[in-house]
Parts: sequence; C-alpha cells; structure tokens
Amino acid sequence: DQQVKQNSPSLSVQEGRISILNCDYTNSMFDYFLWYKKYPAEGPTFLISISSIKDKNEDGRFTVFLNKSAKHLSLHIVPSQPGDSAVYFCAARGNAGNNRKLIWGLGTSLAVNP
Amino acid sequence: DVKVTQSSRYLVKRTGEKVFLECVQDMDHENMFWYRQDPGLGLRLIYFSYDVKMKEKGDIPEGYSVSREKKERFSLILESASTNQTSMYLCASSFEVSGSGQETQYFGPGTRLLVL
Repeated sequence: DQQVKQNSPSLSVQEGRISILNCDYTNSMFDYFLWYKKYPAEGPTFLISISSIKDKNEDGRFTVFLNKSAKHLSLHIVPSQPGDSAVYFCAARGNAGNNRKLIWGLGTSLAVNP
Repeated sequence: DVKVTQSSRYLVKRTGEKVFLECVQDMDHENMFWYRQDPGLGLRLIYFSYDVKMKEKGDIPEGYSVSREKKERFSLILESASTNQTSMYLCASSFEVSGSGQETQYFGPGTRLLVL
C-alpha cells in the first residue's frame, strides 16, 4: 500500500525544455515533502523541499509545487540539462510525534537528450 | 557541507558470512538511517536510530541488526549473509529544525554488496 506514488517510471525530454516530475500521496497527515536526485552507484542527493504551509518553493532551475487539496506535488526543472539525467525520488514526512520516517516513492528516471 | 561516509563502495561476501557495513557522519546529526535500494522497489528502510544506543526497526529489519555506540557512527550487521541480501545499501543522517517537522536526510555514497 504505497502512500507516495510516482506514477511515471520514466520521462524523456529535450535539452533546454521543461521537465515535470509528478508525485501523488494519500496521507493527509504528511506535511513536509522532499525531492532527491540519484545517479547510478551513488547515494541520493537532496534537491529541494516544501512545507505544507507553502504551495511553491524555488531554487535556481528547480521549483516544487504543492497542491494539498489534490495531494499532489510536482518538480519542475527549467531548462533541463543532460546532467539532470538521473532517477528522481519524491519523499514525504508526517507530523506525528514519533514519526521521523520518510515515506518514499519508487522514483522516476529522467533522461535529458542533447 | 554534510559528509556521510560509508566504509566500502563495493563488497563481495559468501553466503553465511557475517558482514559489517559502517557509516560515519561529521555533522553531529542525531538521526541515522540504513536503507537498501533494489530495482523497482525504491528505498526501503531497514533500521534507524534517534540517538546513541537507540535503534528502531524500519520496514524490513529481518536478517539485519544495527549498532550505534557513538553519535557519529551507525553500523549495519548482516549476521549470516544470504543471496537475497545482495543490494545497494545506503546510510543517511539527519536533523530536525526544532519542532518544525522539517527534516532533511543526507546520504552516503552507498555500498554495493554482492552475496555469492
């Protein structure tokens, strides 16, 4: 029973265009969301996060949008670069007192073509 | 910058061997985690620790144990390695901005373990 879902296993975009990666969640108690990027044979690297009190957070080429009513978040990468080719994981955290676990999606593999 | 290091990048062991995976973080983080990553299964939490000598089971603790004797070090132990424990093992550490619920995990480079 997946609480965090990344429904697209893969995505391919042209260099310079926008990449949009999507993530849906089912638990309305989640209040903090993160995106990580992972290259093969390396650990995930933190990219950007958003708290549930916001609907948008931007950091350079990366923007995360949160739609709480739809329980949906998305990561926009503009412009996309070949070095962005990686697996992107969405993760969520609840606000229950002892719940420090992150709940992870299964990842979306992004290929940015030159 | 946060630095999380893992003792080995690649490891080959035989079935039945005892395996130790070490993780060290240099940012004085309270929380540490062990995951394994397998194709199509994402990141699955094995064990985590909120403090020295404390440990809690994650989603797939069977066949594993952990040790946290010092704040900066979190060890994962495979008591008797089996072929189904062949995987990429990832260690992470984190802190929570006090009371905010905002906690970011920082990962090491991973250990790719092959059990023959």
